[in-house]
This record gives sequence, C-alpha cells and structure tokens, in this order.
Amino acid sequence: QSVLTQPPSASGTPGQRVSISCSGGSSNIESNTVKWYQQLPGTAPKLLIYTNNQRPSGVPDRFSGSKSGTSASLAISGLQSEDEGDYYCATWDDSLNGYVFGTGTKVTVL
Amino acid sequence: EVQLVESGGVVVQPGGSRRLSCAASGFTFDDHAMHWVRQAPGKGLEWVSLISWDGGITHYADSVKGRFTISRDNSKNSLYLQMNSLRAEDTALYYCVKDQGSSGYFEPFDYWGQGTLVTVSS
Repeated sequence: QSVLTQPPSASGTPGQRVSISCSGGSSNIESNTVKWYQQLPGTAPKLLIYTNNQRPSGVPDRFSGSKSGTSASLAISGLQSEDEGDYYCATWDDSLNGYVFGTGTKVTVL
Repeated sequence: EVQLVESGGVVVQPGGSRRLSCAASGFTFDDHAMHWVRQAPGKGLEWVSLISWDGGITHYADSVKGRFTISRDNSKNSLYLQMNSLRAEDTALYYCVKDQGSSGYFEPFDYWGQGTLVTVSS
C-alpha cells in the first residue's frame, strides 16, 4: 500500500493538456523534493522531473512539475501518442526512512 | 554511456535464497549511491533498498527488512542484493538503479537497468 496516491488513469486527445496529481503527507512530499518517472510499455522507468519542477536534459518542455504542501502534480501539454505509458511520482519519506513511489497513473492518448 | 546490467534472476522456491548482481559501467561507480527497485507483474514500482557510495549507509523497505541485504564492491563496480526467506510476494522484476548523488536520500534516480526477473514459486 503506497503512501503516495495517484489517479489510476488519465487520458486526452493529441494536443490536449493532461494533469496527474500525487497526494502524500507531511513526512514525504511536504518535507522532500518530488520526482516523476515515465515508464513506456515494455521499458524501464526514466527520470522525467526532479526537484519538483526540473527537467533533465532531453526531456521536452511539454512536461512540467509542481508541488504545493503535501501534493504534487505533473502536467503534459501538447499530448502526443508517444506519451502513452505509466507515470509515477516519488520522494523520500522521513518517517519510513525510505523512498516511496506513487500508485502510478496510466496515460492514454485517445 | 551509463550501463547497468542485472543478473541472477531465477525461479526459486518459497523460503529459498538468491543473490542478484548488477554490473555498472560508464560512470564513477564509487561516487554514487545505488538502489534496488522492484515491479511485480502488472503492478507499480516499489523501492526495495539503498546503499550509499561507500556502503556505510543502507536502508530497506519494511517489506524486505531482515530478509534482504544490499551490498556493493566498488573495486568491481558491482551492486548486489542478497535475498533470503523468499516469499511469493517477492516475485518481481528487480531493477538496479543509479542515484544522482552519493548518499541516496534526496537526489533522483537518473539511470535504470533493464531488470532481472525473480519468480518465487513451488
């Protein structure tokens, strides 16, 4: 049972904007920075966002992250078919003394 | 180019043991903390364990604490996961993951291996 809650699914048509929420608590999201990972079908996860809103080099600026209090969110603007996959938030949890991942959100491009 | 190659995945009986290995290349291994993350078939990601750059700090998920041991050999650029008292719920693809930092606490996971499958079944 993950301590970070995400909606199980999100969808949109090509070009639309999709937003994914990640809800946590005071010992995780509120206290530490949030990362987002993208897992395309059949592949290993890939770092998408770190330190709440920073993109590694090579990640398109269509992806953006934000954090407020005990929640974080990932937005994908200009949705493309190659964005279909699973998205996970993650952060350190001070109470558990370990990393925690979100429950994951499956993004579908209609 | 950073490469993380896991090995050791197998079918093992409940209660059995197995050691996973990860061969790292393309970066200065002893500058970075390392992690194991697993994914049960059709399920989400679960962090398993971390080890700091020098092996001095380790942490485990509650689900594996007391049964799994993470270790590293910086002279061989290798990471290990000793898994004992295996249970059906340990069945998963195990990923070797590089941390961007040295301690393992706050930096992102910037490179992932392709994973090695452990199946616990009689």
